[in-house]
Amino acid sequence: QVQLQESGPGLVKPSETLSLTCTVSGGSIDNYYWSWIRQPPGKGLEWVAYIYYSGYTDYNPSLNSRVTISVDTSKNYFSLKLSSVTAADTAVYFCARLRWTPNYYYGLDVWGQGTTVTVSS
Amino acid sequence: VLTQSPGTLSLSPGERATLSCRASQTISSSYLAWYQQKPGQAPRLLIYGASRRATGIPDRFSGSGSGTDFTLTIRRLEPEDFAVYYCQQFVSSEGITFGGGTKVEIK
Repeated sequence: QVQLQESGPGLVKPSETLSLTCTVSGGSIDNYYWSWIRQPPGKGLEWVAYIYYSGYTDYNPSLNSRVTISVDTSKNYFSLKLSSVTAADTAVYFCARLRWTPNYYYGLDVWGQGTTVTVSS
Repeated sequence: VLTQSPGTLSLSPGERATLSCRASQTISSSYLAWYQQKPGQAPRLLIYGASRRATGIPDRFSGSGSGTDFTLTIRRLEPEDFAVYYCQQFVSSEGITFGGGTKVEIK
């Protein structure tokens, strides 16, 4: 059974770069899409980015210039970097598996438990 | 844009819940999903392809709709069903969009 685990600093200073990693266990990272979603305190879900195991990426246009998602297939993990953070980037960050074929979308079917990131000096 | 209504639904266990998700433009039902989220937990996939239940989801959950109007129905609410529900669309050229959520609370 595939499991995802987010890791990274829980506190980031304003203007610095947020860096998170999602480790995939119980299955291979190959042949799937992988995504980051965040949720500010008391608010709804916001998609951040996704990546295919081969390296194809897509980003939320509202964050595009600040976000980088990457994958390491040899170590079975993928990562998120968000630069120039402000208090508005404070959120729970979830990683998830995105199942998508050219003809069908099967949803975000496996999620990590989430990691809280606070932006504060 | 996905607009969910109502924002909050107050119901009793055993009642039927009907949640609405309206898209600002026509979307393929193949790319519409629903999630349940309980406090302090990650979302859980309930429905994909507008009407297909994900693995392990009880049959009291059902999805329907097409075009711009989609519905999640919970046939008879169980105590564990009180949660927030999100609809979500995927467009390969635009990425992922979530609705604002509907909270189903105990009346």
